[in-house]
Amino acid sequence: QKEVEQDPGPLSVPEGAIVSLNCTYSNSAFQYFMWYRQYSRKGPELLMYTYSSGNKEDGRFTAQVDKSSKYISLFIRDSQPSDSATYLCAMSGRNFNKFYFGSGTKLNVKP
Amino acid sequence: NAGVTQTPKFRILKIGQSMTLQCAQDMNHNYMYWYRQDPGMGLKLIYYSVGAGITDKGEVPNGYNVSRSTTEDFPLRLELAAPSQTSVYFCATRGLGTEAFFGQGTRLTVV
Repeated sequence: QKEVEQDPGPLSVPEGAIVSLNCTYSNSAFQYFMWYRQYSRKGPELLMYTYSSGNKEDGRFTAQVDKSSKYISLFIRDSQPSDSATYLCAMSGRNFNKFYFGSGTKLNVKP
Repeated sequence: NAGVTQTPKFRILKIGQSMTLQCAQDMNHNYMYWYRQDPGMGLKLIYYSVGAGITDKGEVPNGYNVSRSTTEDFPLRLELAAPSQTSVYFCATRGLGTEAFFGQGTRLTVV
């Protein structure tokens, strides 16, 4: 079983839609949960991170972590064409030496 | 302040050839990582380092070697290139916080 599972998509939505991106994981030792955004032919960039369970909001983006279900989500409100990218979830344990990435979900927001 | 610099950006190797992918950072970060990214497969950790002189294997280390003689540099060595090593390689760094900073990637094709 993979450490982190993520639906690769692609996901295509109209501009203004609410987008939901999800990952599941198997390792209960994970405590840090991150979302990275990767534009085509670029390196990933950190979008948001949360520690343990709960919600975190930053502008149009909301990250949710449910440790009891080993399930994390990223919601994008009022999606824009500039949000078109691949979104990767990543996780780490307490020692933070290593990150484990999902396979990434490719999002296309159509004008 | 260049952040994380990877060279070269592109390279074509013949089977059995060797090469070194260079990674340099100017952020004085202790943690450095090498990932490979295959289409639809997310990021797989090859090797990582928690400081100068200290390296450890990640998920997919076979066929690669690393060294970390200085804080700034973390080269990745391919000794006998194989078609299975065709991929995009990303170097990343991390300081004391949660955010990893990625380079722009090296696109390697082995023919």
